[in-house]
Amino acid sequence: GENVEQHPSTLSVQEGDSAVIKCTYSDSASNYFPWYKQELGKRPQLIIDIRSNVGEKKDQRIAVTLNKTAKHFSLHITETQPEDSAVYFCAASGRFSGGYNKLIFGAGTRLAVHP
Amino acid sequence: SQTIHQWPATLVQPVGSPLSLECTVEGTSNPNLYWYRQAAGRGLQLLFYSVGIGQISSEVPQNLSASRPQDRQFILSSKKLLLSDSGFYLCAWSVRTAGGQPQHFGDGTRLSIL
Repeated sequence: GENVEQHPSTLSVQEGDSAVIKCTYSDSASNYFPWYKQELGKRPQLIIDIRSNVGEKKDQRIAVTLNKTAKHFSLHITETQPEDSAVYFCAASGRFSGGYNKLIFGAGTRLAVHP
Repeated sequence: SQTIHQWPATLVQPVGSPLSLECTVEGTSNPNLYWYRQAAGRGLQLLFYSVGIGQISSEVPQNLSASRPQDRQFILSSKKLLLSDSGFYLCAWSVRTAGGQPQHFGDGTRLSIL
């Protein structure tokens, strides 16, 4: 069935370092890949997304890369800051049995940025 | 712009009591609507989704039910709560078009069962 695997489950970095979170998806028909950031006790918020016709997308300190052949996509955060500390979820688009679109979420990565 | 509202923000209920959580979306029409549950420190579990008024699909068997009485209103209910129903409940919406679309989450309801 459809599945998204996310690694690592926890990540600890020093302020200023880079952080990379990787996801692998199983459905070759997936064409949309969003990333969400969830701070403690808050709702998940979309921070960046990429579609399958693009290999890389950047927004200031964050970037996402997509390798359709290998079914991998990754989130890159440069110059990390303490406020980047949160749980990050990747997702891949999929289909419900009735043909409607859904998102399949990874299990999450808890990122801790230490001053 | 589109907004999504969920209430209440927190709820403490005894085992066996009923439940009703409400979610409304503003600024869009014909959205897809979703209910998720998140256990403490865990990922997002999709409970229900809806592509239109009265159309509800369940992803997992459980003690809960959902209804969509109006286009932009989504309700999560239970007749008798179990301890295992505790968690953070999130409503989300997305545009109903072909191809993958982002889901936008409400602020959630933190439900504690005693």
